[in-house]
Amino acid sequence: DAGVIQSPRHEVTEMGQEVTLRCKPISGHDYLFWYRQTMMRGLELLIYFNNNVPIDDSGMPEDRFSAKMPNASFSTLKIQPSEPRDSAVYFCASSSLQGPQYTGELFFGEGSRLTVL
Amino acid sequence: AQSVTQLGSHVSVSEGALVLLRCNYSSSVPPYLFWYVQYPNQGLQLLLKYTSAATLVKGINGFEAEFKKSETSFHLTKPSAHMSDAAEYFCAVRNTGGFKTIFGAGTRLFVKA
Repeated sequence: DAGVIQSPRHEVTEMGQEVTLRCKPISGHDYLFWYRQTMMRGLELLIYFNNNVPIDDSGMPEDRFSAKMPNASFSTLKIQPSEPRDSAVYFCASSSLQGPQYTGELFFGEGSRLTVL
Repeated sequence: AQSVTQLGSHVSVSEGALVLLRCNYSSSVPPYLFWYVQYPNQGLQLLLKYTSAATLVKGINGFEAEFKKSETSFHLTKPSAHMSDAAEYFCAVRNTGGFKTIFGAGTRLFVKA
């Protein structure tokens, strides 16, 4: 089975540019999460969706960040305009509570490493 | 509010020695608890999980963890470290009534030959 797929794996951009990160969750999973990982702050939950609907975006740092999930197989995280302090690894993860074998563990993609110059 | 504390940002052991990574949680309701492992330049992978079925949980690669409610702990152990165990380990908590998973700061495990 294909896992969570993220693109791009690496992105280098200049301050002020728009950045779009993409995620394809595991088929059949109804929860999708965006996390940000930095040395200083560790793993931070930015936002999560259930059945394509944003449930909690309290971790989104600023209005410059936005996330969408137009359908069950695709989500984007957009930063506009980007700043050097946004440099981090952004992870997408998916999960499900459907079925007795699922207890909400997260399945992570390999991450998108963003560098803003 | 739920939280996770991992004691020790770095742990170094010799190959063949016991691995002990500490995790304490704070939760107002019985939680689900997880250990994840992250290898360099990769995403996190589930190592094991506690879901109230048994207090001693066995995971992949010989790791296990014991849930101790009285100590609010969920420490990760492995009897004999292998060089391939060198990675960063994260403890995580999720309340049964919600879906937010909160991660600890992580512990980097170094294994010396």
